[in-house]
Amino acid sequence: GAVVSQHPSWVICKSGTSVKIECRSLDFQATTMFWYRQFPKQSLMLMATSNEGSKATYEQGVEKDKFLINHASLTLSTLTVTSAHPEDSSFYICSGRVAGDEQYFGPGTRLTVT
Amino acid sequence: DAKTTQPTSMDCAEGRAANLPCNHSTISGNEYVYWYRQIHSQGPQYIIHGLKNNETNEMASLIITEDRKSSTLILPHATLRDTAVYYCIVRDLYNFNKFYFGSGTKLNVKP
Repeated sequence: GAVVSQHPSWVICKSGTSVKIECRSLDFQATTMFWYRQFPKQSLMLMATSNEGSKATYEQGVEKDKFLINHASLTLSTLTVTSAHPEDSSFYICSGRVAGDEQYFGPGTRLTVT
Repeated sequence: DAKTTQPTSMDCAEGRAANLPCNHSTISGNEYVYWYRQIHSQGPQYIIHGLKNNETNEMASLIITEDRKSSTLILPHATLRDTAVYYCIVRDLYNFNKFYFGSGTKLNVKP
């Protein structure tokens, strides 16, 4: 099946710094990638939709200047959390869409802001 | 926004069939039913999807009622490794980009 990787798998950063999370589709080309966040014991919340070569579309309530998304190629999308605060601590998950319309999810990145 | 309702949790004995219900009473003719599961601290895993006919694959079976207002995911012989949160999602055929996850069902498979 289609494989999506994320790097890093976990990261700890200090408040006020920025952190970048990479999402790669390893064996398929993803024209669309999605970013989700998940707080403990809660469901996944869609943050944004990322199309290769164009600006990301953000869900209502998600700050586009805080969560910078770049989808520079068909196999790579990045999420940068700028000026991170402890409330940004969460589990960030990306997914890529394949031609059959199924979404395949990455393993997630655990972000802890101290 | 999520368009499905699922029980918060269910228990199942190892080796028995697990039947997970999902209500999607507002589903429209263009919308598919998808099932994913999420094992603790991992990304969601695709299980199965369908439109109106029942579907079966190596992981599970999906039974959709004739009026399509509800469905059931069946794991025929649950194992301890099937313990996870199971999400039922309806997805628009024409706006197929987005998945909105509901709260899901925590399936506890017990020995």
